[in-house]
Amino acid sequence: QVHLVQSGAEVKKPGASVKVSCKIPGHSISDFSMHWVRHLVGKGLEWMGGFEPEDGDAILPQKFQGRVTLTEDTDTDTAYMELRNLRSEDTALYFCAAGRERSKNYLDPPHYWGPGTQVTVSS
Amino acid sequence: SYELTQPPSVSVSPGQTARITCSGDALPGKYAYWYQQKSGQAPVLVIYEDTKRPSGIPERFSGSSSGTMATLTISGAQVADEADYYCYSTDSTFHHRGFFGGGTKVTVL
Repeated sequence: QVHLVQSGAEVKKPGASVKVSCKIPGHSISDFSMHWVRHLVGKGLEWMGGFEPEDGDAILPQKFQGRVTLTEDTDTDTAYMELRNLRSEDTALYFCAAGRERSKNYLDPPHYWGPGTQVTVSS
Repeated sequence: SYELTQPPSVSVSPGQTARITCSGDALPGKYAYWYQQKSGQAPVLVIYEDTKRPSGIPERFSGSSSGTMATLTISGAQVADEADYYCYSTDSTFHHRGFFGGGTKVTVL
């Protein structure tokens, strides 16, 4: 079984940064492509980027380049998503999601999802 | 920027068939994935690589793809299937950037 565990809810002020973590207990994080997706209130799902373990590449849509950093710590088997210069419009539920374990596909799409981390941006 | 287009809503009576479409210019060369999301919960993968069903997903969920359109079909829809459904695919670049459709609210009543 593949279950993802995420860090707890965050409340931040505009202009601050937030760093959300994600682990897959019992598994090595480097065996999975990791994705980050957010669900804005009243809107749909938005893909924020993916981390491909084969070459350590972080693939980001243009919208988030310069504001989002995706990293992995293989010592603690933890994936991180940092979002900087927060604005009220970034208030959302942030999900990490994993592709299939040891998939041969480059950046295998999400198969398994974490429970989400609520990030609230408010002055 | 690449887009995937879904109808905002689909309504169906219990036991009837619901079809949700997803159109995108890059779909002929890329797989479509479908996720079910119930209010406030994490999405669940219901179809991957156009037609494949993960273990534990009921057989009433099926997928197909032709040309620039992928379709999720719920045969014999149940009240429990009421949810938002999102298609996902990647663009045509080497780096496989992901995109979600806008989502379709399925109502079964």
